Amino acid sequence: ETGVTQSPTHLIKTRGQQVTLRCSSQSGHNTVSWYQQALGQGPQFIFQYYREEENGRGNFPPRFSGLQFPNYSSELNVNALELDDSALYLCASSSGGQGTYGYTFGSGTRLTVV
Amino acid sequence: QKEVEQNSGPLSVPEGAIASLNCTYSDRGSQSFFWYRQYSGKSPELIMSIYSNGDKEDGRFTAQLNKASQYVSLLIRDSQPSDSATYLCAVNNEGNTPLVFGKGTRLSVIA
Repeated sequence: ETGVTQSPTHLIKTRGQQVTLRCSSQSGHNTVSWYQQALGQGPQFIFQYYREEENGRGNFPPRFSGLQFPNYSSELNVNALELDDSALYLCASSSGGQGTYGYTFGSGTRLTVV
Repeated sequence: QKEVEQNSGPLSVPEGAIASLNCTYSDRGSQSFFWYRQYSGKSPELIMSIYSNGDKEDGRFTAQLNKASQYVSLLIRDSQPSDSATYLCAVNNEGNTPLVFGKGTRLSVIA
């Protein structure tokens, strides 16, 4: 059974640029969530996808957008990058729409905006 | 605003002692409670989940839940230096809702 994989592991971008982060969910998981974790903080919920539909969104601006594909993999896109977007971006997957069985996290993508 | 509160620490305990980590949450509708361990520079790893009042034991770890007090805790028995990490408390509601995390408690186990 494969776990959650994210790519790339590290990324450096310039303010104003756009970035796409990718996530492959754990086998059998159809719910994918994205979180942003700033240094010294807990993960903050960005949005969640269940069977290719967005079914929850946190307090993030529209320049944060996403997709889920039929194989349940997912993308996070961030436009017009700002310095404060520098963080660890975590993808988490779970089985079932309720997500009450605990989420499995990928290893994360460390984004640095300069 | 749903909130999860944790003491940021650091909490220092000697090797072999019991480490006690605490968490409170604001949403009385919360149904599922999780403890994640996060080593520096790594992603969170699920170590315990609990859904009903009382204690749940798994090896050296015991999770305790008191919904009336909106309180959840994690006890680590026979603490080891390898337990040194940040412990994140997370909660969510029944249904398709996201996890709300606390800021985490940094635990340091001194050999």
